[in-house]
Amino acid sequence: AQSVTQLDSHVSVSEGTPVLLRCNYSSSYSPSLFWYVQHPNKGLQLLLKYTSAATLVKGINGFEAEFKKSETSFHLTKPSAHMSDAAEYFCVVSDPGTYKYIFGTGTRLKVLA
Amino acid sequence: GAGVSQSPRYKVTKRGQDVALRCDPISGHVSLYWYRQALGQGPEFLTYFNYEAQQDKSGLPNDRFSAERPEGSISTLTIQRTEQRDSAMYRCASSLVLAGQETQYFGPGTRLLVL
Repeated sequence: AQSVTQLDSHVSVSEGTPVLLRCNYSSSYSPSLFWYVQHPNKGLQLLLKYTSAATLVKGINGFEAEFKKSETSFHLTKPSAHMSDAAEYFCVVSDPGTYKYIFGTGTRLKVLA
Repeated sequence: GAGVSQSPRYKVTKRGQDVALRCDPISGHVSLYWYRQALGQGPEFLTYFNYEAQQDKSGLPNDRFSAERPEGSISTLTIQRTEQRDSAMYRCASSLVLAGQETQYFGPGTRLLVL
């Protein structure tokens, strides 16, 4: 069965420092993996997705994630945090040919001035 | 429209009342999904439509919950005889083609509070 674990419920970083949001997944197949971001009073916005192409995926707003099959991880990174990055981030797994997204419990990112 | 829209954005109701939550997907999107998100949790799948056909309703928690999409566009999620445990954020998403690996685009959600 698919599952997703986001290892940190809250992460705080200073503006201008790197961001790392951790995600581990479980899947019987070669899954699709996504990161979504939710800003207050907004819908979930797709940051990036992995669908069995390049293992390093670049997304919007300077975010990227690396698919590591051996570690079953799909961590989200950004070299330099901006105040506008403060939001909740969700890691999602979906098995090929299926439509159900399995969400992690989310990581709330706080960016300190 | 430009994105998925949902209405109302907030709904407060009394226990025992029925509520109807509306989702207007991105124009031309074939597939539509409903999710429920409890506080501190990620969204959980409720049901899914291809065009007007409800393909999977395995995530609906009980028979008080139902959904329809009669013309293959707008969808309504109805909760009858609401209970306090139904309080949550209800999210709708749509995707362009038949569900598989296509990206799902989410609306802003409806926050339901049952008193």
